[in-house]
Amino acid sequence: DVKVTQSSRYLVKRTGEKVFLECVQDMDHENMFWYRQDPGLGLRLIYFSYDVKMKEKGDIPEGYSVSREKKERFSLILESASTNQTSMYLCASSLTQGENQPQHFGDGTRLSIL
Amino acid sequence: GQNIDQPTEMTATEGAIVQINCTYQTSGFNGLFWYQQHAGEAPTFLSYNVLDGLEEKGRFSSFLSRSKGYSYLLLKELQMKDSASYLCAVTDYKLSFGAGTTVTVRA
Repeated sequence: DVKVTQSSRYLVKRTGEKVFLECVQDMDHENMFWYRQDPGLGLRLIYFSYDVKMKEKGDIPEGYSVSREKKERFSLILESASTNQTSMYLCASSLTQGENQPQHFGDGTRLSIL
Repeated sequence: GQNIDQPTEMTATEGAIVQINCTYQTSGFNGLFWYQQHAGEAPTFLSYNVLDGLEEKGRFSSFLSRSKGYSYLLLKELQMKDSASYLCAVTDYKLSFGAGTTVTVRA
């Protein structure tokens, strides 16, 4: 079974802090994704990566950056956290770039910015 | 852009059938996924449709009509454990999700 592991289930940070969310997958998947999930809005794509050191903007990249130095690890960075970034953050991975490849999700990090 | 609509909530009785509709208007289309998400847990893959028609997997079936921009997920013989959110997602080169439908199964 694919295992996508997010470093924290719950995280509380302060406005203006730099925040790192870590995600690791153990199945040698090429693609990795970061989403945020908010009530009534569903999952929205922040950034994704098809290869090491490669990244592409999703639908809502503002205020975020990412890093993929190794194939198995994809980090989401909040450069200067703001209260509107309080949300559930979900990481996902998929095997290849084919459109029929399902994404496998981590359990999520519930981030609160105070 | 992508516009994906599905009902917010549905309630049904144990043993019954529920149909969750999803309509989409998208700039590109390479397939449609359904995911299940229990409260506080990760979404898990249920089905994928790329061609028109019905795909059946046990108690769950998914239907697609590309010309109508329409899909549905059919849950048969409902069980209490089916209480969850069901997410419709359309893929072109990336995945775009609807807001999800929360299904509550009552005894």
